[in-house]
Amino acid sequence: QVQLQESGPGLVKPSETLSLTCSVSGYSISRGYYWAWIRQSPGKGLEWIGNIYYGGNTYYTPSLKSRVSISVDTSKNQLFLNLSSVTAADTAVYYCAKSIATGTTYFEPWGQGTLVTVSS
Amino acid sequence: EIVLTQSPATLSLSPGEKATLSCRASQSVSSYLAWYQQKPGQAPRLLIYDTSKRPTGLPARFSGSGSETDFTLTISSLEPEDFAVYYCQQRSSWPLTFGGGTKVEIK
Repeated sequence: QVQLQESGPGLVKPSETLSLTCSVSGYSISRGYYWAWIRQSPGKGLEWIGNIYYGGNTYYTPSLKSRVSISVDTSKNQLFLNLSSVTAADTAVYYCAKSIATGTTYFEPWGQGTLVTVSS
Repeated sequence: EIVLTQSPATLSLSPGEKATLSCRASQSVSSYLAWYQQKPGQAPRLLIYDTSKRPTGLPARFSGSGSETDFTLTISSLEPEDFAVYYCQQRSSWPLTFGGGTKVEIK
C-alpha cells in the first residue's frame, strides 16, 4: 500500500523559502509515475503546483513557475518542494500525491497534507 | 489555461436523494476529466477518472458522464458519508487545473 507523508516547517517568514519533504513508502519513486504537489488555501479550492516524472521532467503552474522547484531523492524515496519569496498568499495546506498510472496525471493516493503559514 | 467551472456551489439534499454535479470547461478537455471527494480535514480522494472510470472499490452509486466541455458527476442515492466537497480536474493540457468545488450538504 502506497503511503505519502508531508513534513516541513509549519511557519515561514515572508520573503523566505518554503521547503517541504514528502516521504513515500510502499512504492519506489524510481519506478516511474508522476509525483505532484498540490495546495489548498484555507477555505479555498485546490491548486496544482507542479509535477515531476521519474525521468526528471518537471511541469509547473505558470503563476508559480519563477519561484518553485520540485525534485526527488530516489535513494531516500522522497519528493521535495521549494517555493521561494513567499508571501501570505502562499499560506495553505500542501499535499503531495502520486499519479494513478504511468502517463496520466490523476492523483491517488495523497498525503494527509501539511499546513504552512507565512507570517512574520 | 483551461478554466473549470463547477455548479452549483452548494447542493442541499437529503440522504437517499440523487445528486447531480456539473463541471464545465472553458475549452475541450476531450474525456480527460476526473472527480475528487474531499471531507473536512482530509485529503481529496479520487472518485472518477477519464470522465466515467471508477477506481477499484468505489461504490457504484458514483458515476460520471460527459465529453469535451460539459461533465456530470451523479450520486444515485446519497449516503451519509457522501456529504462532502467535490472537485473536478482536467489533465488535457498543462497546467493541470481544478474546478472551484461543489459542496453537497445535508438538507
